Amino acid sequence: TQLLEQSPQFLSIQEGENLTVYCNSSSVFSSLQWYRQEPGEGPVLLVTVVTGGEVKKLKRLTFQFGDARKDSSLHITAAQPGDTGLYLCAGGRGSEKLVFGKGTKLTVNP
Amino acid sequence: KAGVTQTPRYLIKTRGQQVTLSCSPISGHRSVSWYQQTPGQGLQFLFEYFSETQRNKGNFPGRFSGRQFSNSRSEMNVSTLELGDSALYLCASMRRLAETQYFGPGTRLLVL
Repeated sequence: TQLLEQSPQFLSIQEGENLTVYCNSSSVFSSLQWYRQEPGEGPVLLVTVVTGGEVKKLKRLTFQFGDARKDSSLHITAAQPGDTGLYLCAGGRGSEKLVFGKGTKLTVNP
Repeated sequence: KAGVTQTPRYLIKTRGQQVTLSCSPISGHRSVSWYQQTPGQGLQFLFEYFSETQRNKGNFPGRFSGRQFSNSRSEMNVSTLELGDSALYLCASMRRLAETQYFGPGTRLLVL
């Protein structure tokens, strides 16, 4: 059972466009993390959100945690080729193991 | 501060063989987790070790095993390899439980 569903699975856009990817669950998480993974490398943590309704910004990336702490979104403004990668969300519940979504593979074409 | 290191980075084995992968966590980190990543299943949790004790185990067959040493370095072993074991195996370390995980670059295993 995949507890975290990410959509879309694949996304190919042109440089300068905006995009939003989603991470949804029927379960409540105490925290939600977003990672970016580039080919041949391990995932790198971008942000952790812990409060329902929380919004965090990291340059052109905006992360939001749903009010009910069951879903999250990542919005990228004016995407650049360097944003290309696999975006993973992961839900945490205290000291339990993280649950990962399957990811959104983003390609930004110059 | 050096990151998480994994060796080897690439490995080719044949069915029926066994393999041992190694992970050195960030200095001072006592927790190590292992994940298997495939295009179809995504990142799946294998096991977690903290201070040489296995804390959590994922839903994998007994052919997959691991251990952690007193210096926090960890190894995982897969016996009687199957084609479906071809994957990227990722190790992640944490200083303490429920803190931020830092991933290594992974070991890409190909089983022929």
